[in-house]
Amino acid sequence: QVQLVESGGGVVQPGGSLRLSCAASGFTFSRYGIHWVRQVPGKGLEWVAAISYDAIKREYQDSVRGRFTISRDNSRNTLSLQMNSLRPEDTGLYFCARDRKEDHGINYFDRWGQGTVVTVSS
Amino acid sequence: EILLTQSPATLYLSPGERATLSCRASQNIDYFLAWYQQKPGQPPRLLIYDASNRASGIPVRFSGSGSGTDFTLTISSLEPEDFAVYYCQQRGNSITFGPGTRLEIK
Repeated sequence: QVQLVESGGGVVQPGGSLRLSCAASGFTFSRYGIHWVRQVPGKGLEWVAAISYDAIKREYQDSVRGRFTISRDNSRNTLSLQMNSLRPEDTGLYFCARDRKEDHGINYFDRWGQGTVVTVSS
Repeated sequence: EILLTQSPATLYLSPGERATLSCRASQNIDYFLAWYQQKPGQPPRLLIYDASNRASGIPVRFSGSGSGTDFTLTISSLEPEDFAVYYCQQRGNSITFGPGTRLEIK
């Protein structure tokens, strides 16, 4: 079955860096766009970044553009999010989520991982 | 940025009752809206996409309607497992989520 498993979360000081990973299985990873969505504990959802199935198109939320970099390795079925210059407001549970539609995608999320927690605090 | 507002913030209903949840967009998003259900300790689950299309495996008691700026998620007869938080999400201009409606047992 479709699985997405995030890892790499942790506690980091403001200004620090962290690299999140998402391991995919149970589907043809190279055919789907993948997104990162975060959730502040007890609060709502916030889209962070997306990468197209072929890694040509990458998009970011304004608050993370220039600090975060999304990438993927289709040979290893993995997705990454390099997070630099972290701020306290980046704290949250980070989910990777699959686009509902193959290839060019339609920006709805039909499969999600369980998430990995990022805490930015001094 | 397109803002989504959801109402009510909390809805108290009993099993068997009909639930009507609202989502309003700050600008016209055509039909580019989805609904998700989230239970404690779980990721969101896609229910409805493009305003009115049920996602795979979603029971027929869930239905969506609306276009432009006003959208509705209806649960025709609540089951015990439907009590959760519901989020709307738009893809008409970038991607944003609403703040959620908590559906609680009365």
